Amino acid sequence: DAEITQSPRHKITETGRQVTLACHQTWNHNNMFWYRQDLGHGLRLIHYSYGVQDTNKGEVSDGYSVSRSNTEDLPLTLESAASSQTSVYFCASSVGMNTEAFFGQGTRLTVV
Amino acid sequence: GIQVEQSPPDLILQEGANSTLRCNFSDSVNNLQWFHQNPWGQLINLFYIPSGTKQNGRLSATTVATERYSLLYISSSQTTDSGVYFCAVGLAGTALIFGKGTTLSVSS
Repeated sequence: DAEITQSPRHKITETGRQVTLACHQTWNHNNMFWYRQDLGHGLRLIHYSYGVQDTNKGEVSDGYSVSRSNTEDLPLTLESAASSQTSVYFCASSVGMNTEAFFGQGTRLTVV
Repeated sequence: GIQVEQSPPDLILQEGANSTLRCNFSDSVNNLQWFHQNPWGQLINLFYIPSGTKQNGRLSATTVATERYSLLYISSSQTTDSGVYFCAVGLAGTALIFGKGTTLSVSS
């Protein structure tokens, strides 16, 4: 079955380190998204992509970057991890504009 | 940007009770989805419903786009319905924006 997978599921890193979270989907969806979930804030959009070589900033993009070199993957990089980036990160994908989005299992990141 | 408000923020029910969750949004939308986040953190798609009414078993949803709200109905609730219910909306060509959710607790 086609699916969307995130790795790792859990990660602990130190302040200042570069961290990359992986997101891989096998649906051949054009659109991919990264969100973070924090208590009291719900899910907030970090970055998104509408196709290969396309990337866009979301509501909380500072300190994060993404690149889209193929259809299947949208890795999220924290350039220099900060304690404020401790969160649960979700990746999502959808086939096209304003179509149903599907989410991965999430990655719990702790920055110490 | 668009505002998404969900109510109530918290809901406690006895098993077997019915409930209605509401989602209000501040602009015309091209996408609206309801999700259930289970106690393990997984986001489960319930409905893709930018307009109209849909039903899936004990759950149903209605979106009245012209009046900018959507309702999620849960009938004969079960303990497995516990978790957080999110409404998320998208304007034309934009990503989903989430409300802060309704936390549902169903006790036996």
